[in-house]
Amino acid sequence: AQRVTQPEKLLSVFKGAPVELKCNYSYSGSPELFWYVQYSRQRLQLLLRHISRESIKGFTADLNKGETSFHLKKPFAQEEDSAMYYCALSGQPTSYDKVIFGPGTSLSVIP
Amino acid sequence: NAGVTQTPKFQVLKTGQSMTLQCAQDMNHEYMSWYRQDPGMGLRLIHYSVGAGITDQGEVPNGYNVSRSTTEDFPLRLLSAAPSQTSVYFCASSYSRDAPSADSPLHFGNGTRLTVT
Repeated sequence: AQRVTQPEKLLSVFKGAPVELKCNYSYSGSPELFWYVQYSRQRLQLLLRHISRESIKGFTADLNKGETSFHLKKPFAQEEDSAMYYCALSGQPTSYDKVIFGPGTSLSVIP
Repeated sequence: NAGVTQTPKFQVLKTGQSMTLQCAQDMNHEYMSWYRQDPGMGLRLIHYSVGAGITDQGEVPNGYNVSRSTTEDFPLRLLSAAPSQTSVYFCASSYSRDAPSADSPLHFGNGTRLTVT
């Protein structure tokens, strides 16, 4: 079954410290992985996608198929990074799911 | 270009009442979906549609109905509200008719916060 796990519900780091938000998935095919972010009082929006191998707002994420992980990293956290982060998986449709989201990690950057 | 628009932003219902959450997009997206967001559970798919006239159930469809008479609109109906339906509801769309992908990611509305007492 397709599944996305984010082991940390809450993550607090100090400004300037490195941050890593963990995401693991289970999927039998070739998945596409995403990170979505929801800032306070804003709508959910795409942060980055694995296929683009891009860096957005200083964040990067590498797909590790061996470890089935797609951790989100940033070397120096900023206060404006405080938000809810969701890891998501898309691929061959199952009986009902087109995109599966993890439970989310709330990141708090302490000034 | 407004993107995905949801109304209302907030709603309080009594148990047993019915209501419709509206969702409209002006991006000519084929794929539309409804999620509910609950603490610790992430976003769970309620219903989705891959085009006008086509809908299908998601992970948690019970208690909800949808229809897709036009490409732009995808309303979500609660026939008889229950306290368990207290949640934040998000509508999302993507260009691709198939599963949202890296080339066609989901675009979200601002959400509707529903409380059922």
